[in-house]
Amino acid sequence: GDSVTQMEGPVTLSEEAFLTINCTYTATGYPSLFWYVQYPGEGLQLLLKATKADDKGSNKGFEATYRKETTSFHLEKGSVQVSDSAVYFCALRAPSGGSYIPTFGRGTSLIVHP
Amino acid sequence: DVKVTQSSRYLVKRTGEKVFLECVQDMDHENMFWYRQDPGLGLRLIYFSYDVKMKEKGDIPEGYSVSREKKERFSLILESASTNQTSMYLCASSLGDRESEKLFFGSGTQLSVL
Repeated sequence: GDSVTQMEGPVTLSEEAFLTINCTYTATGYPSLFWYVQYPGEGLQLLLKATKADDKGSNKGFEATYRKETTSFHLEKGSVQVSDSAVYFCALRAPSGGSYIPTFGRGTSLIVHP
Repeated sequence: DVKVTQSSRYLVKRTGEKVFLECVQDMDHENMFWYRQDPGLGLRLIYFSYDVKMKEKGDIPEGYSVSREKKERFSLILESASTNQTSMYLCASSLGDRESEKLFFGSGTQLSVL
């Protein structure tokens, strides 16, 4: 079946450091890829998405590029802030038995210190 | 913005009780999902629904059932709660069933079964 693998956390950084969270996937067909963010005490919300190979999704200084050849969708930010502390989930949505089932990675906790 | 509302933020129940978790969305979305979130395991799909009165099993349906009598409401039922069902439960919805459709999440219900 489809699966998403993302790097384990927590990732601990100082403010203004560069962030990379790795995500790779396995899927049949051509999935759409997503990054969701979960702030403390809240549900998940969409951060960015890409729907086809070589697309770059971006939002709030975060970006990720859909790499079909390496089946990856790594999340990056050039300069993190304390307010970026959250759990980040990589996800895909791909055809499965006539439906499009969302599949999530295990999440990566990011802690940013002042 | 789409609003997905889960009826309780925290819930404490006893082993063997029948438990109802309610979820309502206000934007006429066709698809609705129930996930449980556990540390280190990420989000796991319990059940989903693509239309009123329709339901499909996800990855971990055992011990759960669902009901969707109206389009806006999707209920998760624990027929006889057990301690291993202590978890965070997240409801989500999407407009349609396409790979590019993002999910909108509720804030979650933290269920403790004693």
